[in-house]
Amino acid sequence: DVVMTQSPLSLAVTLGQPASISCRSSQSLVYSDGNTYLNWFQQRPGQSPRRLIYKVSKRDSGVPDRFSGSGSGTDFTLKISRVEAEDVGVYYCMQGTHWPPLTFGGGTKVEIK
Amino acid sequence: QVQLVQSGVEVKKPGASVKVSCKASGYNSNNYGINWVRQAPGQGLEWMGWISIYKGNTNYAQKFQGRVTMTTDTSTNTAYMELRSLRSDDTAVYYCASGYNYNDFDYWGQGTLVTVSS
Repeated sequence: DVVMTQSPLSLAVTLGQPASISCRSSQSLVYSDGNTYLNWFQQRPGQSPRRLIYKVSKRDSGVPDRFSGSGSGTDFTLKISRVEAEDVGVYYCMQGTHWPPLTFGGGTKVEIK
Repeated sequence: QVQLVQSGVEVKKPGASVKVSCKASGYNSNNYGINWVRQAPGQGLEWMGWISIYKGNTNYAQKFQGRVTMTTDTSTNTAYMELRSLRSDDTAVYYCASGYNYNDFDYWGQGTLVTVSS
């Protein structure tokens, strides 16, 4: 199984400041079709998860452009350019290249300092 | 606008079974799939398996093989996840998520809390 490792475990950020979350996979996530199936999800307190980013860097409809994804191979990053209060929650990366199983990172909790 | 609506809270005894439903609306065709993901209290997300609504084929996480069955009823656009031989560590919120491919999680249900307790 592909292991997804996120860091840090938690992050306290001042409003308006940037935040960055790292996700590393135990093997390359490049699929045979040339795509890299790496997703990022946000889970606000008490809510269902919501996908923010798919295929490393493609933002879902309705996701603010302060969220961006980057990376390749085994190293990926989710960046929030200016953290807002509504960004509080837990963020998960997930690989969809090698299955079964699909695997999630352990999560990074983002809170306001 | 696609919506997934899940069934309500369940309380089960160890050894029992639970069947959670996920009703989809807003899709123009059956050419999509449903992933099931669970989240134990205070823990992260765990993938359980996937079912194609169109073809009915499934793929389960090895951890749940033999204990889980995912099915669909295309007449009502409803997917089901049955988990048997429940244990206390199966206590979790169970989510369904849909998309056109197995690795798409475009839409999520509201979650179903399953509590396993004697």
